[in-house]
Amino acid sequence: QSVLTQPPSVSGAPGQRVTISCTGSSTNIGAGYDVHWYQQPPGTAPKLLIYVNNNRPSGVPDRFSGSKSGTSASLAISGLQAEDEADYYCQSYDRSLGGSVFGTGTKVTVL
Amino acid sequence: QLQLQESGPGLVKPSETLSLTCTVSGDSIRNKNYYWGWIRQPPGKGLEWIGTIYYSGSTYYNPSFKSRVTKSVDTSKNQFSLKLSTVTAADTAVYYCARQSVSSTYWFFDPWGRGTLVTVSS
Repeated sequence: QSVLTQPPSVSGAPGQRVTISCTGSSTNIGAGYDVHWYQQPPGTAPKLLIYVNNNRPSGVPDRFSGSKSGTSASLAISGLQAEDEADYYCQSYDRSLGGSVFGTGTKVTVL
Repeated sequence: QLQLQESGPGLVKPSETLSLTCTVSGDSIRNKNYYWGWIRQPPGKGLEWIGTIYYSGSTYYNPSFKSRVTKSVDTSKNQFSLKLSTVTAADTAVYYCARQSVSSTYWFFDPWGRGTLVTVSS
C-alpha cells in the first residue's frame, strides 16, 4: 500500500556519494508534510535517521543528509562506508489516508 | 533511556485474533508530547503503518485495517495494545511498536521496539 516510491536498490564504492529518491504526491509530500528517513540493517528494527526533512538525531553522522522539494525528497549518503549497507525507508503523512505512509524501501549495497 | 518491548504469541491460527502488547519503559505513556504507534513488516517486504493511539484513548487507523483493528492504552501498566481480528496468512509479519512524534506537518516514529514475529498458520 506504499504511496511513496523509492528505487529498489542503489550501490556505490566505499567513499562515494549515493542518493535515494522518494517520490510522493499532492496528498503527502506535495501537500507540505515533512519527510523522515529510517535505516534498517539486516535483521534489526528500523532506526530514525533523518526527521523533518533534514534534521539528524543525536548520534547520526553528518554523512547523512536529507532534502525535500515539491512532491519528492532525497536522502544522500556521502563517504559511503561498509556499515551503511541496509534498507532505507522514507516516511510522511498522507491526508487522504489520515495517517502515515512509508516508501517502498531502497537497499544500499557497498561494493 | 526510553525502551519499547513488544510481547504476544508468535503463532496465531487463521481466522483468530492477534493480540500484542507494547511495554514502555523510560518514559510515561501519559507524556502529552507523544503518541504511540504500531507498524508491521511482512517477511522480505516493506513497512506498513497499522495505527496510532494517544494516552487519552484517541485512535487513528490505517483504513486497510480499520474494520479489524482495535488499539487500547493501559496507563497503569505503561502499556498499549493491538488486536487484529480475523487474521490470514497475509498478516504474518514482524510487528513493531514505536513512540510517535506528531504535529500539524509531521508524524514520525522514534524509537522503535525490537519487533516480534507473528506467524499465522494452522
